Amino acid sequence: DADVTQTPRNRITKTGKRIMLECSQTKGHDRMYWYRQDPGLGLRLIYYSFDVKDINKGEISDGYSVSRQAQAKFSLSLESAIPNQTALYFCATSDPRASNEQFFGPGTRLTVL
Amino acid sequence: GQNIDQPTEMTATEGAIVQINCTYQTSGFNGLFWYQQHAGEAPTFLSYNVLDGLEEKGRFSSFLSRSKGYSYLLLKELQMKDSASYLCAVPYQAGTALIFGKGTTLSVSS
Repeated sequence: DADVTQTPRNRITKTGKRIMLECSQTKGHDRMYWYRQDPGLGLRLIYYSFDVKDINKGEISDGYSVSRQAQAKFSLSLESAIPNQTALYFCATSDPRASNEQFFGPGTRLTVL
Repeated sequence: GQNIDQPTEMTATEGAIVQINCTYQTSGFNGLFWYQQHAGEAPTFLSYNVLDGLEEKGRFSSFLSRSKGYSYLLLKELQMKDSASYLCAVPYQAGTALIFGKGTTLSVSS
């Protein structure tokens, strides 16, 4: 089945470390998104990309950067992790030519100590 | 700016009907989405409304009033497996990225 995968699924790191979260998809979708989810705050949009080399900031992009290396891959980096970046991170994809639905990966639980 | 409000928690019993409301403020309206998210899992798509009115899909229906900035998700014949968070969302800057409400956690008891 065409799918959205995220690696790692869980990560514990220390304040100040650089960390990369990776997202891959086999759906052939052009559009990809990164969200974070915090208890009581819901899902918030970090960055999104409509195609390779297209990068757009979302609601809360400060402290994050992204790279769209290929149509199938969209990586999220924390250059210098801080504790309030502890959250559940979701990647999603969509193809508006087919439907308005976004397909989410299983999530990466990140803890910054 | 964009703002979405929905109740934080709701409870209901098996077999009942529950309505989860969502109010939104957005410029350049381009549809409203409902997603379901079970604890520890990824959100999954339930519905998309772009025109006023009710859209029915099995036990779930979604309603939209653009003039009132209001939507609701109606769940009928509730089952235990419907215990989940229900997320209301609108497009970010009228594009395809989404802005989500904080979600409504529904607990269904027997």
